[in-house]
Amino acid sequence: NAGVTQTPKFQVLKTGQSMTLQCAQDMNHNSMYWYRQDPGMGLRLIYYSASEGTTDKGEVPNGYNVSRLNKREFSLRLESAAPSQTSVYFCASSAGLLSGSQETQYFGPGTRLLVL
Amino acid sequence: GESVGLHLPTLSVQEGDNSIINCAYSNSASDYFIWYKQESGKGPQFIIDIRSNMDKRQGQRVTVLLNKTVKHLSLQIAATQPGDSAVYFCAENIGGGADGLTFGKGTHLIIQP
Repeated sequence: NAGVTQTPKFQVLKTGQSMTLQCAQDMNHNSMYWYRQDPGMGLRLIYYSASEGTTDKGEVPNGYNVSRLNKREFSLRLESAAPSQTSVYFCASSAGLLSGSQETQYFGPGTRLLVL
Repeated sequence: GESVGLHLPTLSVQEGDNSIINCAYSNSASDYFIWYKQESGKGPQFIIDIRSNMDKRQGQRVTVLLNKTVKHLSLQIAATQPGDSAVYFCAENIGGGADGLTFGKGTHLIIQP
């Protein structure tokens, strides 16, 4: 199992450009999450999807949109990138409440985004 | 302020010694806690978790202690090795919801040879 995979690994954008960060998991997990991590900070939740077909805002959703394409895939889109969105983005997944199991989240390797 | 935080941003220990990383939380409704290890350039890696109905849980070379009275969580690493160098985050989940975890800022564990 690859676990949680993310593409791309690195990206440089100009202000105003758009892009989509891709995430996929092969653990048959119900819930998926997008976090951002800034220097010296913990991870902050952007959006999450508790189950296929649902998405909800997290702590810092402004400037982002998400799509839960299917059970495996959860993408994060920046419609008009801003320098404040320079960060490392992590996708995570968990079995979720629907499975009745614990909420342990498993993380991907991250996407490093620089917005100029 | 953040619900979950750490007492020290950097902890330096001698190889072979035990390490103790501390975490304070402020939300008494938190019922599930996780410790993650993050190596440079990688995503957080699950280490160990504990539910609020427990005081202690042990894994391989790691122990998590939960003191609900003072809202304190600690991670103990026995016989610290060079490979333990990383940033350690505690995270909490409130009420078992699937709405993500709240993370502290992290403690950087440095292993001295």
